[in-house]
Amino acid sequence: QVQLQESGPGLVKPSGTLSLTCAVSGGSISSGYWWSWVRQPPGKGLEWIGEIYHSGTTNYNPSLKSRVTISVDKSKNQFSLKLSSVTAADTAVYYCGGTSWYSLDPWGQGTLVTVSS
Amino acid sequence: EIVLTQSPGTLSLSPGERATLSCRASQSVSSSYLAWYQQKPGQAPRLLIYGASSRATGIPDRFSGSGSGTDFTLTISRLEPEDFAVYYCQQYVSSPAMYTFGQGTKLEIK
Repeated sequence: QVQLQESGPGLVKPSGTLSLTCAVSGGSISSGYWWSWVRQPPGKGLEWIGEIYHSGTTNYNPSLKSRVTISVDKSKNQFSLKLSSVTAADTAVYYCGGTSWYSLDPWGQGTLVTVSS
Repeated sequence: EIVLTQSPGTLSLSPGERATLSCRASQSVSSSYLAWYQQKPGQAPRLLIYGASSRATGIPDRFSGSGSGTDFTLTISRLEPEDFAVYYCQQYVSSPAMYTFGQGTKLEIK
C-alpha cells in the first residue's frame, strides 16, 4: 500500500521560496500514478496546486503556474514542490497525494507552512 | 473554469438519520471526473467516492454517490458518530488538466 510523507521547512520568509518534498513508500513513483500537491489555508478549503508524472510531465493550476515548479526524483522515489515569491496568503497545510481515476488517493498527512518574517 | 458549489454549507443531523449533500457544477462535468472526500479536523482528506458513484477501497456501503451533468449528490444512509466531518466534492477537467474542489459542507451533530 502506497504511503506518502511530506517534509520541509515549516517557516518561510515573505518573498522567499517554499520547498517541500514528498517521499513515496510502499510502491514505485513510476507505478502509474500522477503525483499531486494540494494546499489548505487554515480554516479554509482545498486548492489543487499541480501534478507530475514520473516522466516529468507536469500540469499546474493556472492561478499559481507562474510561481510553481514540481519535479520528480525517481532515484529517491520522491517528488518535490517549489513555490516562489511567497506571501502570507501562501500560509497553508500542504498535502501531497497520488492521483488516479481522476481523484486523489492516497494522501500524505500534510505539513503546515507558515509565511512570516 | 468550472466552479463547484456545495450545499448546504452546514448540515445539522442526528446519528441514525440520512444525510444528503449536494454539489452543483457551473458547467456539465463528466461523471467519471467527479469525486467526494471526507475530512476530519487535523486529518488529511479521505477519498470516499470516485467516478461519481464508485466507492473507494474500504468505504462503508452507507456512503453512496449519484448524479450526472451539473448535479451530484453524496448520500449517507444512516449516520454514524464518526461521519460528522467536512465533505468536499472535486472535479477534473482535461484541457488544461486541472482539479478543483467545492467549498465544502460541514456535517455536524444536532
